[in-house]
Amino acid sequence: GENVEQHPSTLSVQEGDSAVIKCTYSDSASNYFPWYKQELGKRPQLIIDIRSNVGEKKDQRIAVTLNKTAKHFSLHITETQPEDSAVYFCAATPGGADGLTFGKGTHLIIQP
Amino acid sequence: KAGVTQTPRYLIKTRGQQVTLSCSPISGHRSVSWYQQTPGQGLQFLFEYFSETQRNKGNFPGRFSGRQFSNSRSEMNVSTLELGDSALYLCASSLLGSAEKLFFGSGTQLSVL
Repeated sequence: GENVEQHPSTLSVQEGDSAVIKCTYSDSASNYFPWYKQELGKRPQLIIDIRSNVGEKKDQRIAVTLNKTAKHFSLHITETQPEDSAVYFCAATPGGADGLTFGKGTHLIIQP
Repeated sequence: KAGVTQTPRYLIKTRGQQVTLSCSPISGHRSVSWYQQTPGQGLQFLFEYFSETQRNKGNFPGRFSGRQFSNSRSEMNVSTLELGDSALYLCASSLLGSAEKLFFGSGTQLSVL
């Protein structure tokens, strides 16, 4: 089955700086890669996703890049703000009826 | 429109008991999936239902089961509870009938004593 590795487990950045979280996956059949944000005590929320036929996708301060050859995808957050503090999860799936396989999460801390 | 609703929010059970958790998806969403979240293992896929049929199941023992009703509401049942079943159980619904663009509920926090 699919295996997703996520790094780092904790990331502390100064407010206004950029943050990058990296994930690798094992199943070459995976074709959908979402990122979820979970604030303390709240539900995970989808912030951005990408399909395997696209190399990069942006949404305001958030971008995701995908390298299918290396089985690697990353989340980039620019101009970080205090409200970006949360745990971020990457995930992968081959689609269809298969569920998401999640990484273990990255705790992003924005220092004032 | 209303989001994904899970009840109850908290549950405390003892080993050996069974428990049933409920999930109401977003109106119009026919796919409901369940995930277990623990500090050690993170988020793990339990199963997915679409139009009352279980389409896939994760790597969990048979003590974990579920069902979906004709109105898309879903229930998850865990029998013969073990201490290791203590977790946050999250339900998610999807319009597209797959793992894409999942909307999660707030979860049911289950504590097994």
